[in-house]
Amino acid sequence: GAGVSQSPSNKVTEKGKDVELRCDPISGHTALYWYRQSLGQGLEFLIYFQGNSAPDKSGLPSDRFSAERTGGSVSTLTIQRTQQEDSAVYLCASGAGFYTFTEAFFGQGTRLTVV
Amino acid sequence: DAKTTQPPSMDCAEGRAANLPCNHSTISGNEYVYWYRQIHSQGPQYIIHGLKNNETNEMASLIITEDRKSSTLILPHATLRDTAVYYCIVRVAAGANNLFFGTGTRLTVIP
Repeated sequence: GAGVSQSPSNKVTEKGKDVELRCDPISGHTALYWYRQSLGQGLEFLIYFQGNSAPDKSGLPSDRFSAERTGGSVSTLTIQRTQQEDSAVYLCASGAGFYTFTEAFFGQGTRLTVV
Repeated sequence: DAKTTQPPSMDCAEGRAANLPCNHSTISGNEYVYWYRQIHSQGPQYIIHGLKNNETNEMASLIITEDRKSSTLILPHATLRDTAVYYCIVRVAAGANNLFFGTGTRLTVIP
């Protein structure tokens, strides 16, 4: 596709359920980022993938959060046993290259509501 | 963690230049200054980046002080569609590194 695609666009889940959020990056992009944005807040870094390198997981808020990137392309962010404070917009971005400037292109996000 | 500080909000009259400041006093020699903006309900959008020279593109101009401790993003003729949160970020240009957003400046363009 032409841009970063995220699905679903909206997700409502009950507290305690697990959710999976999907990100399809721009084809050929080696860098992939996950962020979340709570209502009226800035972007909170979660995790960063670059090619085959070990991901930077330093932003994951708890062990309920995990992410994987299969085949260097599609990424899935999983939140286990969701809590109400997990409600936010989850944004994915991708970037091209490793040795060159990596402008990040963002998707439209997944709005997660935990009730 | 974000290495920049920005004013939380600014107003600008439509058609006038919007000058958005950013302080990055601890910037390293190999770190660039990047600007993104986020229009309501959309993902952030790249605007411009620079190292030490002033830069200009079709969206904006970036003025970086000689000591590189601060910079200014200039939107030469602000329109209502420029109303957004503007983020100033410092990072190295390439390699396995992250992109940390601060709290940004909420720019409101007033008719």
